[in-house]
Amino acid sequence: DGGITQSPKYLFRKEGQNVTLSCEQNLNHDAMYWYRQDPGQGLRLIYYSQIVNDFQKGDIAEGYSVSREKKESFPLTVTSAQKNPTAFYLCASSLPLDEKLFFGSGTQLSVL
Amino acid sequence: AQKVTQAQTEISVVEKEDVTLDCVYETRDTTYYLFWYKQPPSGELVFLIRRNSFDEQNEISGRYSWNFQKSTSSFNFTITASQVVDSAVYFCALSPAPYSGAGSYQLTFGKGTKLSVIP
Repeated sequence: DGGITQSPKYLFRKEGQNVTLSCEQNLNHDAMYWYRQDPGQGLRLIYYSQIVNDFQKGDIAEGYSVSREKKESFPLTVTSAQKNPTAFYLCASSLPLDEKLFFGSGTQLSVL
Repeated sequence: AQKVTQAQTEISVVEKEDVTLDCVYETRDTTYYLFWYKQPPSGELVFLIRRNSFDEQNEISGRYSWNFQKSTSSFNFTITASQVVDSAVYFCALSPAPYSGAGSYQLTFGKGTKLSVIP
């Protein structure tokens, strides 16, 4: 079945540590996105990529980095510069120029 | 700037009751899309509907219906005869249309309404 796979489901970060969240899709979608969800809040866009080897900052990119070396993969690194990383992170994908998103099941990141 | 307001933070209903989730939006764009997504406890958001601003017809899909009123900038979602499986967080969202690919990507989500359906 086609879909988006996020791993791990739960992740713990120590102070000063970088951690990477994985997102893989087999929907053959060109566009991929990372959202952050805090309790009682909507989704906020971190980064998005419309095509391989290209990505743009979203509304809250500070403290995060991404890469898009393959169409299927869009990993998100939460760097030590992100002072409040505890949140639920959702990866999504879509067809080009299409606002209808398909989401993964998310990664809950917590700070030890 | 775009804004989506879901004033109802949490709603509880007894199974088989009807429930309406409110969504009010603000935009300066003349054409735009409105969306509803469902987030069950598993965490994955599921697309429910997309509505173009030119199309104000109400839509019904099974027990789900949507009432789009441009005059009041609202896009409300009604679940008829609610079931326990409807328990989830529901998000309303807004984007300019069509997305040209130029400039920043703008899909704005509301804060969500948590619906609990009690057996």
